[in-house]
Amino acid sequence: GAVVSQHPSRVICKSGTSVKIECRSLDFQATTMFWYRQFPKQSLMLMATSNEGSKATYEQGVEKDKFLINHASLTLSTLTVTSAHPEDSSFYICSASERSGGLNEQFFGPGTRLTVL
Amino acid sequence: AQKITQTQPGMFVQEKEAVTLDCTYDTSDQSYGLFWYKQPSSGEMIFLIYQGSYDEQNATEGRYSLNFQKARKSANLVISASQLGDSAMYFCAMREGLISDMRFGAGTRLTVKP
Repeated sequence: GAVVSQHPSRVICKSGTSVKIECRSLDFQATTMFWYRQFPKQSLMLMATSNEGSKATYEQGVEKDKFLINHASLTLSTLTVTSAHPEDSSFYICSASERSGGLNEQFFGPGTRLTVL
Repeated sequence: AQKITQTQPGMFVQEKEAVTLDCTYDTSDQSYGLFWYKQPSSGEMIFLIYQGSYDEQNATEGRYSLNFQKARKSANLVISASQLGDSAMYFCAMREGLISDMRFGAGTRLTVKP
């Protein structure tokens, strides 16, 4: 199956700093990438949808100025958490979508665990 | 409104027995897809099985099968011959249409007892 990587897998930062998370599709072109956030013992919540070359679409309640998403190429999307605070500590997971026949498959990255001190 | 409902926060099953994890969904779309994922403690999302809304037969993948009841809008996951390694969180998800995001249920934590 298709592979999606995320980097870093784990990051610890100080409050007020910015953190960039990369999501790459390794062996396919991802027309659409999705960013999810998962707090402990909770489900995945969609943050935003990004299409290559266009602005991301954010879910209600997600601050677009705080969570900057750039989908610069068909294989790379980045999520930057700006001025991170402890409440931003979470597990961030990306997924990438590829059209395959009639099924729009979606492949998940391994996730990035962010801890803000 | 919640579109995917998993009513079992936790389930226990004896090793080698079968277990059913419940999932109901709500959509007005005719074309949609239903997915089940396993999430171990490492956090990775492992795809298990997929059912399309137009598929007439229930999906099966090895020990996993999906009991799809369209009229009831349910898509329960059946795991046969449970193994200790099956202990994990299980999420039901739905995608409406062909090109859209995926929405997840709250999840069910499955514990397989030896």
